[in-house]
Amino acid sequence: DSGVTQTPKHLITATGQRVTLRCSPRSGDLSVYWYQQSLDQGLQFLIQYYNGEERAKGNILERFSAQQFPDLHSELNLSSLELGDSALYFCASSSAGADITDTQYFGPGTRLTVL
Amino acid sequence: AQKITQTQPGMFVQEKEAVTLDCTYDTSDQSYGLFWYKQPSSGEMIFLIYQGSYDEQNATEGRYSLNFQKARKSANLVISASQLGDSAMYFCAMREADTGGFKTIFGAGTRLFVKA
Repeated sequence: DSGVTQTPKHLITATGQRVTLRCSPRSGDLSVYWYQQSLDQGLQFLIQYYNGEERAKGNILERFSAQQFPDLHSELNLSSLELGDSALYFCASSSAGADITDTQYFGPGTRLTVL
Repeated sequence: AQKITQTQPGMFVQEKEAVTLDCTYDTSDQSYGLFWYKQPSSGEMIFLIYQGSYDEQNATEGRYSLNFQKARKSANLVISASQLGDSAMYFCAMREADTGGFKTIFGAGTRLFVKA
Protein backbone atom coordinates (compact mmCIF):
# COMPACT_ATOMS: atom_id res chain seq x y z
CA ASP A 1 0.00 0.00 0.00
CA SER A 2 1.59 3.25 -1.19
CA GLY A 3 -0.53 5.47 1.03
CA VAL A 4 -2.09 7.24 -1.96
CA THR A 5 -5.84 6.73 -2.24
CA GLN A 6 -8.01 7.14 -5.31
CA THR A 7 -11.75 7.00 -5.72
CA PRO A 8 -13.68 5.57 -7.37
CA LYS A 9 -11.90 2.37 -8.33
CA HIS A 10 -14.08 1.86 -11.39
CA LEU A 11 -16.25 4.27 -13.34
CA ILE A 12 -18.51 3.51 -16.28
CA THR A 13 -20.15 6.36 -18.10
CA ALA A 14 -21.41 7.42 -21.52
CA THR A 15 -19.93 9.62 -24.20
CA GLY A 16 -20.49 13.31 -23.64
CA GLN A 17 -20.66 12.99 -19.88
CA ARG A 18 -18.46 14.55 -17.20
CA VAL A 19 -16.74 12.73 -14.36
CA THR A 20 -14.55 13.64 -11.41
CA LEU A 21 -11.74 11.48 -10.12
CA ARG A 22 -10.44 12.04 -6.63
CA CYS A 23 -7.01 11.52 -5.11
CA SER A 24 -5.60 11.85 -1.60
CA PRO A 25 -1.80 11.99 -1.41
CA ARG A 26 0.41 10.27 1.13
CA SER A 27 0.57 12.01 4.45
CA GLY A 28 3.06 14.86 4.23
CA ASP A 29 3.33 14.88 0.44
CA LEU A 30 2.77 18.24 -1.20
CA SER A 31 2.82 17.25 -4.84
CA VAL A 32 0.15 15.40 -6.77
CA TYR A 33 0.54 14.10 -10.31
CA TRP A 34 -2.07 12.74 -12.69
CA TYR A 35 -1.32 10.14 -15.36
CA GLN A 36 -3.36 8.38 -18.01
CA GLN A 37 -2.52 4.82 -18.98
CA SER A 38 -4.06 3.45 -22.15
CA LEU A 39 -3.09 0.50 -24.30
CA ASP A 40 -2.09 2.56 -27.31
CA GLN A 41 -0.48 5.56 -25.57
CA GLY A 42 1.20 3.96 -22.58
CA LEU A 43 1.63 5.98 -19.40
CA GLN A 44 1.17 9.67 -20.15
CA PHE A 45 1.79 12.50 -17.70
CA LEU A 46 -1.16 14.88 -17.52
CA ILE A 47 -0.52 17.50 -14.86
CA GLN A 48 1.22 18.19 -11.54
CA TYR A 49 0.13 20.31 -8.60
CA TYR A 50 2.33 21.41 -5.77
CA ASN A 51 0.78 22.77 -2.60
CA GLY A 52 -2.31 23.95 -4.42
CA GLU A 53 -0.67 25.44 -7.48
CA GLU A 54 -0.15 24.01 -10.93
CA ARG A 55 3.51 23.12 -11.30
CA ALA A 56 3.85 21.26 -14.60
CA LYS A 57 1.63 20.36 -17.49
CA GLY A 58 1.92 17.40 -19.85
CA ASN A 59 -0.35 16.03 -22.52
CA ILE A 60 -3.58 17.12 -20.91
CA LEU A 61 -6.54 17.80 -23.16
CA GLU A 62 -8.49 21.03 -22.85
CA ARG A 63 -11.54 18.95 -21.90
CA PHE A 64 -9.65 17.85 -18.79
CA SER A 65 -8.88 19.99 -15.78
CA ALA A 66 -7.53 19.43 -12.31
CA GLN A 67 -7.12 21.20 -9.03
CA GLN A 68 -5.54 20.66 -5.65
CA PHE A 69 -7.38 21.77 -2.57
CA PRO A 70 -6.06 23.29 0.69
CA ASP A 71 -6.14 19.86 2.35
CA LEU A 72 -3.91 18.71 -0.55
CA HIS A 73 -6.35 16.26 -2.06
CA SER A 74 -6.77 16.62 -5.80
CA GLU A 75 -9.52 16.13 -8.34
CA LEU A 76 -9.26 15.45 -12.05
CA ASN A 77 -12.30 16.54 -14.04
CA LEU A 78 -12.93 14.96 -17.42
CA SER A 79 -15.69 16.44 -19.56
CA SER A 80 -17.30 15.79 -22.94
CA LEU A 81 -16.03 12.27 -22.64
CA GLU A 82 -15.13 10.31 -25.75
CA LEU A 83 -14.61 6.60 -26.26
CA GLY A 84 -10.86 7.21 -26.47
CA ASP A 85 -10.80 8.57 -22.93
CA SER A 86 -11.30 5.06 -21.60
CA ALA A 87 -8.15 4.35 -19.63
CA LEU A 88 -6.62 3.78 -16.23
CA TYR A 89 -6.05 7.10 -14.49
CA PHE A 90 -3.37 7.21 -11.87
CA CYS A 91 -2.66 9.73 -9.22
CA ALA A 92 0.82 9.86 -7.70
CA SER A 93 2.25 11.92 -4.91
CA SER A 94 5.70 13.00 -3.81
CA SER A 95 7.11 14.93 -0.93
CA ALA A 96 8.25 17.98 -2.85
CA GLY A 97 7.95 17.77 -6.60
CA ALA A 98 10.71 20.21 -7.35
CA ASP A 99 13.71 17.94 -7.40
CA ILE A 100 15.30 15.38 -9.68
CA THR A 101 15.33 12.80 -6.89
CA ASP A 102 11.64 13.19 -6.13
CA THR A 103 10.10 9.71 -6.07
CA GLN A 104 6.46 9.46 -7.00
CA TYR A 105 4.25 6.94 -5.22
CA PHE A 106 1.21 5.83 -7.15
CA GLY A 107 -2.34 5.21 -6.09
CA PRO A 108 -4.28 2.12 -7.19
CA GLY A 109 -5.81 3.96 -10.15
CA THR A 110 -9.33 4.64 -11.40
CA ARG A 111 -10.47 2.51 -14.34
CA LEU A 112 -12.67 4.70 -16.58
CA THR A 113 -14.81 3.08 -19.22
CA VAL A 114 -16.67 5.32 -21.65
CA LEU A 115 -19.47 3.57 -23.55
CA ALA B 1 12.63 10.54 -30.75
CA GLN B 2 11.82 8.28 -27.83
CA LYS B 3 13.17 9.58 -24.55
CA ILE B 4 12.94 6.22 -22.83
CA THR B 5 13.34 3.02 -24.81
CA GLN B 6 12.56 -0.43 -23.49
CA THR B 7 13.33 -2.77 -26.37
CA GLN B 8 12.00 -5.97 -24.83
CA PRO B 9 8.20 -6.14 -25.02
CA GLY B 10 8.27 -9.48 -23.22
CA MET B 11 10.79 -11.57 -21.33
CA PHE B 12 10.78 -15.06 -19.87
CA VAL B 13 12.92 -16.16 -16.95
CA GLN B 14 13.12 -19.36 -14.96
CA GLU B 15 12.28 -19.11 -11.29
CA LYS B 16 15.37 -18.49 -9.10
CA GLU B 17 17.42 -17.18 -12.03
CA ALA B 18 18.50 -13.58 -12.57
CA VAL B 19 17.05 -11.43 -15.34
CA THR B 20 18.03 -8.08 -16.85
CA LEU B 21 15.45 -5.68 -18.22
CA ASP B 22 16.89 -3.13 -20.63
CA CYS B 23 16.33 0.60 -20.59
CA THR B 24 18.04 3.31 -22.59
CA TYR B 25 17.32 7.00 -22.29
CA ASP B 26 17.94 10.16 -24.19
CA THR B 27 18.69 13.48 -22.55
CA SER B 28 21.11 16.36 -22.93
CA ASP B 29 20.79 17.30 -19.27
CA GLN B 30 23.58 16.53 -16.83
CA SER B 31 21.20 16.17 -13.91
CA TYR B 32 18.39 13.64 -14.13
CA GLY B 33 16.85 10.78 -12.21
CA LEU B 34 16.07 7.25 -13.34
CA PHE B 35 13.33 5.11 -11.83
CA TRP B 36 11.91 1.63 -12.21
CA TYR B 37 8.32 0.71 -11.42
CA LYS B 38 6.53 -2.62 -11.33
CA GLN B 39 2.91 -3.04 -12.41
CA PRO B 40 1.40 -6.42 -11.50
CA SER B 41 -1.79 -7.65 -13.12
CA SER B 42 -3.76 -6.02 -10.32
CA GLY B 43 -2.82 -2.68 -11.88
CA GLU B 44 -1.05 -0.69 -9.20
CA MET B 45 2.31 0.95 -9.92
CA ILE B 46 4.97 0.01 -7.38
CA PHE B 47 8.20 2.00 -7.03
CA LEU B 48 11.25 -0.27 -7.09
CA ILE B 49 14.48 1.65 -7.35
CA TYR B 50 16.02 5.06 -8.08
CA GLN B 51 19.36 6.12 -9.61
CA GLY B 52 20.59 9.70 -9.79
CA SER B 53 22.74 10.81 -12.69
CA TYR B 54 25.48 11.90 -10.32
CA ASP B 55 25.43 8.72 -8.26
CA GLU B 56 28.68 6.87 -8.82
CA GLN B 57 27.50 3.60 -7.36
CA ASN B 58 24.76 1.47 -8.86
CA ALA B 59 21.58 1.56 -6.81
CA THR B 60 20.42 -1.60 -5.05
CA GLU B 61 17.20 -2.43 -3.22
CA GLY B 62 16.99 -6.01 -2.01
CA ARG B 63 16.82 -8.27 -5.07
CA TYR B 64 16.72 -5.27 -7.41
CA SER B 65 19.77 -3.51 -8.72
CA LEU B 66 20.19 -0.89 -11.39
CA ASN B 67 23.07 -1.32 -13.81
CA PHE B 68 23.77 2.32 -14.62
CA GLN B 69 26.07 3.01 -17.57
CA LYS B 70 26.04 6.76 -18.02
CA ALA B 71 28.16 6.96 -21.16
CA ARG B 72 25.91 4.47 -22.89
CA LYS B 73 22.78 6.12 -21.43
CA SER B 74 21.47 2.86 -20.14
CA ALA B 75 19.79 2.01 -16.84
CA ASN B 76 19.05 -1.69 -16.86
CA LEU B 77 17.13 -3.34 -14.03
CA VAL B 78 18.56 -6.58 -12.70
CA ILE B 79 16.29 -8.85 -10.68
CA SER B 80 18.16 -11.59 -8.88
CA ALA B 81 16.65 -14.91 -7.79
CA SER B 82 13.39 -14.39 -9.69
CA GLN B 83 10.17 -15.35 -7.96
CA LEU B 84 6.77 -16.17 -9.42
CA GLY B 85 5.47 -12.93 -7.91
CA ASP B 86 7.89 -10.98 -10.07
CA SER B 87 5.70 -11.66 -13.10
CA ALA B 88 4.49 -8.17 -14.04
CA MET B 89 5.04 -5.20 -16.32
CA TYR B 90 8.14 -3.19 -15.56
CA PHE B 91 8.49 0.46 -16.49
CA CYS B 92 11.64 2.53 -16.72
CA ALA B 93 11.22 6.27 -16.20
CA MET B 94 13.38 9.37 -16.35
CA ARG B 95 12.89 12.63 -14.51
CA GLU B 96 14.49 15.72 -15.97
CA ALA B 97 14.13 19.46 -15.83
CA ASP B 98 11.46 21.05 -17.98
CA THR B 99 10.17 24.57 -18.46
CA GLY B 100 9.30 25.78 -14.99
CA GLY B 101 9.70 22.45 -13.30
CA PHE B 102 10.42 18.80 -13.85
CA LYS B 103 8.79 16.07 -15.86
CA THR B 104 8.84 12.30 -15.65
CA ILE B 105 8.72 10.24 -18.82
CA PHE B 106 7.91 6.55 -18.84
CA GLY B 107 8.98 3.88 -21.27
CA ALA B 108 6.55 1.49 -22.94
CA GLY B 109 7.34 -1.26 -20.46
CA THR B 110 8.57 -4.83 -20.50
CA ARG B 111 6.33 -7.70 -19.50
CA LEU B 112 8.22 -10.28 -17.44
CA PHE B 113 7.03 -13.86 -17.14
CA VAL B 114 8.60 -16.02 -14.45
CA LYS B 115 8.34 -19.75 -15.13
CA ALA B 116 8.14 -22.33 -12.37
